[in-house]
Amino acid sequence: AAGVIQSPRHLIKEKRETATLKCYPIPRHDTVYWYQQGPGQDPQFLISFYEKMQSDKGSIPDRFSAQQFSDYHSELNMSSLELGDSALYFCASSARTARADTQYFGPGTRLTVL
Amino acid sequence: LAKTTQPISMDSYEGQEVNITCSHNNIATNDYITWYQQFPSQGPRFIIQGYKTKVTNEVASLFIPADRKSSTLSLPRVSLSDTAVYYCLVGGPNTGGFKTIFGAGTRLFVKA
Repeated sequence: AAGVIQSPRHLIKEKRETATLKCYPIPRHDTVYWYQQGPGQDPQFLISFYEKMQSDKGSIPDRFSAQQFSDYHSELNMSSLELGDSALYFCASSARTARADTQYFGPGTRLTVL
Repeated sequence: LAKTTQPISMDSYEGQEVNITCSHNNIATNDYITWYQQFPSQGPRFIIQGYKTKVTNEVASLFIPADRKSSTLSLPRVSLSDTAVYYCLVGGPNTGGFKTIFGAGTRLFVKA
């Protein structure tokens, strides 16, 4: 079965640079979520999109922005990177029409900021 | 969004049954209970989901009492590969929108 695809899998950036992470949801899933997970921490919700519209915001820094495109893929844009942004970034997708919110997670993008 | 409380860690031995209980006292009427498993450096993986009573799949069972204020994930005959972090989440499309809060999960250590 098709799964959530994230690219790149690994990314190394310098402080103050920008990064773009991409997420391709499972086909026919209309909702995308982004999470950040620091070393030894639990996943922190950043933002979600439903049918290409922002749905909810969590602890997403103002330096980050995201959007969902017409083909339902999503991109997380991160600017003025800081050392503390080094983390695993997960994308998850779900089907809004489902009776319960079952999210399927991608393998993650490991971002290292030097 | 319903807040959840789980034990921080649990130890077990191979072949034993493991039960992890999650408290969610303010669960809403339309909320579902979902459990995820996460291995280091991997995305959380869906294990099981339920609304009430008992749900069983090929991996686990989920027991939910009538008042739904708690739930218990049961892993039969665990193996070393079940060592992971287990998260209990409560919510649904009709409650809390699409904002998911991962609480502190339960770190399960399975020993030989």
